[in-house]
Amino acid sequence: QVQLVQSGPEVKEPGASVKLSCKAYGYSFTTFGITWVRQAPGQGLEWMGGISADNGDTSYPQKFQGRVTMSTDTSTNTAYMDLRGLRSDDTAVYYCARDVPSLDFWGQGTLLTVSS
Amino acid sequence: DIVMTQSPLSLPVTPGEPASISCRTTQSLLHINGYNYLDWYLQRPGQSPQLLIYLGSNRASGVPDRFSGSGSGTDFTLKISRVEAEDVGVYYCMQPLHTPYTFGQGTRLEIK
Repeated sequence: QVQLVQSGPEVKEPGASVKLSCKAYGYSFTTFGITWVRQAPGQGLEWMGGISADNGDTSYPQKFQGRVTMSTDTSTNTAYMDLRGLRSDDTAVYYCARDVPSLDFWGQGTLLTVSS
Repeated sequence: DIVMTQSPLSLPVTPGEPASISCRTTQSLLHINGYNYLDWYLQRPGQSPQLLIYLGSNRASGVPDRFSGSGSGTDFTLKISRVEAEDVGVYYCMQPLHTPYTFGQGTRLEIK
């Protein structure tokens, strides 16, 4: 069955970078896109951008332009999100989701803590 | 960016009673293909969000038929015909029509 399995929790210092992964199982990876959504503690959901697993086209909101890079590895059916220049307000749970374009399957989430 | 406004933000409901959540958008979500690009998600406590309704009114696989979505253009509603204890959580509307995708603020449903 369709599953998205995300990498484990991360703790980073301010100014550092992090690369999160999302491995897909149970479907043809290049047929759909992957979207990343984050949720700060006690807050709502925030779209961080998406990538076509077919051709690698990306779309990022202006807020994250220049700080985020999304990529895929079709040989391992894995999507990645690289976030640079980390700040304390980047502390959140980061989710990947299959984009059809509704978000029909979600990963379990990765907790990123940014703290000195 | 399309702004999504949900109401109410808090919804206490007695089990077995109906519930309704509104989502209003600043731009029409009606595509020229005739579909409204509006989704509803439920995030149960401690869990990842799950898709409930897509394209305005279609239940996702495995979603009980007590959930229904309606509306068109800029005005949408999620209805639960008879609330059960497992329906507790935060409900979000989201539009995947235009980037950036945008979410409503969330409506917290609790059992009275």
